[in-house]
Amino acid sequence: DAGVTQSPTHLIKTRGQQVTLRCSPISGHKSVSWYQQVLGQGPQFIFQYYEKEERGRGNFPDRFSARQFPNYSSELNVNALLLGDSALYLCASSPGMSGWETQYFGPGTRLLVL
Amino acid sequence: QKEVEQDPGPLSVPEGAIVSLNCTYSNSAFQYFMWYRQYSRKGPELLMYTYSSGNKEDGRFTAQVDKSSKYISLFIRDSQPSDSATYLCAVLTGNQFYFGTGTSLTVIP
Repeated sequence: DAGVTQSPTHLIKTRGQQVTLRCSPISGHKSVSWYQQVLGQGPQFIFQYYEKEERGRGNFPDRFSARQFPNYSSELNVNALLLGDSALYLCASSPGMSGWETQYFGPGTRLLVL
Repeated sequence: QKEVEQDPGPLSVPEGAIVSLNCTYSNSAFQYFMWYRQYSRKGPELLMYTYSSGNKEDGRFTAQVDKSSKYISLFIRDSQPSDSATYLCAVLTGNQFYFGTGTSLTVIP
């Protein structure tokens, strides 16, 4: 089985632009979570989605939004990009609301904002 | 105060050494305690998770949780050069999930 996949792998944007990142969970997994990892730091939780509904949200501004589709894939949108949004964006999937402790991470999308 | 604190290192040890990695956390409500390994330019990979206090062993890896002192540890026995990576601790309760900053480990052949 394929693991968690993310696209694109790398992205360069300029300040003020908008970006959409995509994630496909492991087959059979219904929960997707998004994290931001700034260089030299641990990942920070942004969102958790389960059955197309937001189930958890970290301390991020409203410029960050996400959604989950009927096939359980997910998109993370970031509006009005700032230089500080430059980071590795990680997606993780788990079987359901429970089982978050065994989530599996994708390789991430590296976003550079100039 | 951060939810979980981790010494960033870097830590450098000779091959075969026992490695001890540690984190402290602030909220006694945290129920699950995880250790991830992250190679450069890759996503984190779950090594082990524990629920509540005690020890859990998996091959060369042992995770230890002391809830009374809010302290979690990962021990790596007979360390190998392939263990060179960043190790991240994480804590979880309900819909709150927090990572430490990660400890960079280099095992020298």
